[in-house]
Amino acid sequence: DGGITQSPKYLFRKEGQNVTLSCEQNLNHDAMYWYRQDPGQGLRLIYYSQIVNDFQKGDIAEGYSVSREKKESFPLTVTSAQKNPTAFYLCASSHPRWTESSYEQYFGPGTRLTVT
Amino acid sequence: AQKITQTQPGMFVQEKEAVTLDCTYDTSDQSYGLFWYKQPSSGEMIFLIYQGSYDEQNATEGRYSLNFQKARKSANLVISASQLGDSAMYFCAMRDPHSGAGSYQLTFGKGTKLSVIP
Repeated sequence: DGGITQSPKYLFRKEGQNVTLSCEQNLNHDAMYWYRQDPGQGLRLIYYSQIVNDFQKGDIAEGYSVSREKKESFPLTVTSAQKNPTAFYLCASSHPRWTESSYEQYFGPGTRLTVT
Repeated sequence: AQKITQTQPGMFVQEKEAVTLDCTYDTSDQSYGLFWYKQPSSGEMIFLIYQGSYDEQNATEGRYSLNFQKARKSANLVISASQLGDSAMYFCAMRDPHSGAGSYQLTFGKGTKLSVIP
């Protein structure tokens, strides 16, 4: 079955450490996205990528970095520069907009990061 | 800048009854898209329904329908015959029409927590 996997489900880190969250998709989607969700809030876009080796900052990119070396993978690194890293992180993917074959973004199960 | 407003932090509905979740949006663009997603306690986001700004008919998907009132800038989600499994957070979102051709950005509301009572 096609889908998006994020691992691990729960992640714990000490303050000052960088941590990388994985996101893999086998939907053959070109576009991938990272969102952050805080309690009682909607999702906010961190980074997105339209194609391999290309990515763009979203609304809250400070303190985060990404790479897109393969179509299937879009890992997110939460750096020590991110002041409030504890949150729920969701990865998503979609068909290219020009295809209009499917409008929605498909989401992974998320990773809950706790930094103490 | 686009904005999505969901004014109901929480809603209760009796099982088998219908419920309407409110969503209003603010945009100066003529072309845009509106989405509803469901987020169960497990955390993943599940796509429910989509409405394009030029679609003349209200979108429907099974028990879900979108009451689209363009002049009022509202896109309310109607769930008919509520089930216990409908208990979840529901998010309204808008597609940014100025996103690149290869992708699109979504702006989300803060969500409504729906609780279905047996």
